[in-house]
Amino acid sequence: ETGVTQTPRHLVMGMTNKKSLKCEQHLGHNAMYWYKQSAKKPLELMFVYSLEERVENNSVPSRFSPECPNSSHLFLHLHTLQPEDSALYLCASSQQTAANYGYTFGSGTRLTVV
Amino acid sequence: SQQGEEDPQALSIQEGENATMNCSYKTSINNLQWYRQNSGRGLVHLILIRSNEREKHSGRLRVTLDTSKKSSSLLITASRAADTASYFCATDNQAGTALIFGKGTTLSVSS
Repeated sequence: ETGVTQTPRHLVMGMTNKKSLKCEQHLGHNAMYWYKQSAKKPLELMFVYSLEERVENNSVPSRFSPECPNSSHLFLHLHTLQPEDSALYLCASSQQTAANYGYTFGSGTRLTVV
Repeated sequence: SQQGEEDPQALSIQEGENATMNCSYKTSINNLQWYRQNSGRGLVHLILIRSNEREKHSGRLRVTLDTSKKSSSLLITASRAADTASYFCATDNQAGTALIFGKGTTLSVSS
């Protein structure tokens, strides 16, 4: 285990469903991130949180809604998704948002929208 | 927006051979990082090299950085089947708040 836990590992949802992805870290890190990884595309940065405050929203559609209730937990709430949103969603954490620190990634949630 | 770009996209070698992957980037950086990803899993941090460093070693990994050419290379020596994975370089975004990753190099090591 990396210290960053993502649940569920796999998720299949219909376009009208509402679901949430969960990420948890107990590394004492202050920054957490959501990335989307689609086939044949680079990792896309979605959201950045520092000390529970959102510091970046990378032009992500409103059907994705992040929540960071404390520095150990990060959620991604999903509603009315499209088939093109099917991807591997990766959560990561680091000591701070500055890029001087390595990231610790979770194993990801494989999302399929049907 | 994409900052780093790895080359080649795919690389196939035999066990025991060395593997070299390259990364080019566009704007000035504070540091550059390399990550490995096994199929369908999360990324694992391998090494961070700062802009004032030219070379760094970690076990069988050697990373070089040439800021004048805006490029970095990752060398894996004496490769093993377990090294089969995708390798990504990452640099900081313009705001300095997060890492931006390239498309990666897919390495296949056969025994």
